[in-house]
Amino acid sequence: EPEVTQTPSHQVTQMGQEVILRCVPISNHLYFYWYRQILGQKVEFLVSFYNNEISEKSEIFDDQFSVERPDGSNFTLKIRSTKLEDSAMYFCARGGAGELFFGEGSRLTVL
Amino acid sequence: GIQVEQSPPDLILQEGANSTLRCNFSDSVNNLQWFHQNPWGQLINLFYIPSGTKQNGRLSATTVATERYSLLYISSSQTTDSGVYFCAVELDYKLSFGAGTTVTVRA
Repeated sequence: EPEVTQTPSHQVTQMGQEVILRCVPISNHLYFYWYRQILGQKVEFLVSFYNNEISEKSEIFDDQFSVERPDGSNFTLKIRSTKLEDSAMYFCARGGAGELFFGEGSRLTVL
Repeated sequence: GIQVEQSPPDLILQEGANSTLRCNFSDSVNNLQWFHQNPWGQLINLFYIPSGTKQNGRLSATTVATERYSLLYISSSQTTDSGVYFCAVELDYKLSFGAGTTVTVRA
């Protein structure tokens, strides 16, 4: 059983559309992350979220991106107006000062 | 930021062969993890190894934190070992990944 469940597993969208990716941790944790992997490249840090606030964000995480934990359980990544270069696998992870566990990923394809 | 370098970038093995993958990092880190990315893109945790040696079946890993490197050993490789192996180091509560080693095991 995965530590983290992500939905959707694959989404295809048109450029300019809004996308919401969701992450549901199996157990309660305070530290969550979003990472991105463009096809064939390494996994890149986007944002960390601690105690319901953004803890740190990378240069990639610009104003087009936002994260929320609206109901205290689901953890979402929103991309407001998708661009072709947003096509990637997006991973949610839970952890903290220890081992990180990743979800199965959401593959986003922007056409 | 911290630099993580993995070598070799690509590795082709005959089934049954042994191999060593290396991860060098540029700064002191709190933790280090090894992952296997399977053909479906999932990141599978292999080892959480800030220092010392661990073994799990045919895989083992050693991290020498003072010298800023880690090694992943694959023994008696099988075709199911194929995929990309990532090393990631943790500093300030986030992981920085290397570029990975793509392993292809041929029957």
